[in-house]
Amino acid sequence: EDKVVQSPLSLVVHEGDTVTLNCSYEVTNFRSLLWYKQEKKAPTFLFMLTSSGIEKKSGRLSSILDKKELFSILNITATQTGDSAIYLCAVRTETSGSRLTFGEGTQLTVNP
Amino acid sequence: EAQVTQNPRYLITVTGKKLTVTCSQNMNHEYMSWYRQDPGLGLRQIYYSMNVEVTDKGDVPEGYKVSRKEKRNFPLILESPSPNQTSLYFCASSLHPGSPLHFGNGTRLTVT
Repeated sequence: EDKVVQSPLSLVVHEGDTVTLNCSYEVTNFRSLLWYKQEKKAPTFLFMLTSSGIEKKSGRLSSILDKKELFSILNITATQTGDSAIYLCAVRTETSGSRLTFGEGTQLTVNP
Repeated sequence: EAQVTQNPRYLITVTGKKLTVTCSQNMNHEYMSWYRQDPGLGLRQIYYSMNVEVTDKGDVPEGYKVSRKEKRNFPLILESPSPNQTSLYFCASSLHPGSPLHFGNGTRLTVT
């Protein structure tokens, strides 16, 4: 059974801090890993990673994948209160076709 | 604006009373899917559709039906809702099965 585990489940920081969110996976025939940000409503897409060692970056957010050690990290630098959200990690496999297997998510709270 | 629209946003109903949650996308996406989100379990796929008239079961299809008569619409039908179907439901679409999903704003369903 495909499994995605995120850590920590919850994190509270102050504005300006840098955070690292973790996502590890145990799946057969890995294809891609995706990160989403969920505020009070729809999850919104952040990154899709398919290759090891290649950093994806968007503003203060960046992510990298390690296919050997089966994990990904999402970094947020100089956090702002608007970064408060649940961050979801999901994995797609060659055999699952379209289906994404999601982790539970990390609840990030950024205090002023 | 490109979006996935779900209705209603909130729904309270009683056991056994049939209901439909509508989902529509205006991005001409081939692929559509329904997920439910529960605390401690993350997002789990209910049903998906690769294209018009092509639907298939996800991880938790029991108690649900779907149809895809038109490309833009993918309603979720609960013929006889039960309290264990109380959840937050998301419709999502993507250009192709391997592309990132775009999510609707969610429907919070309570079955008493």
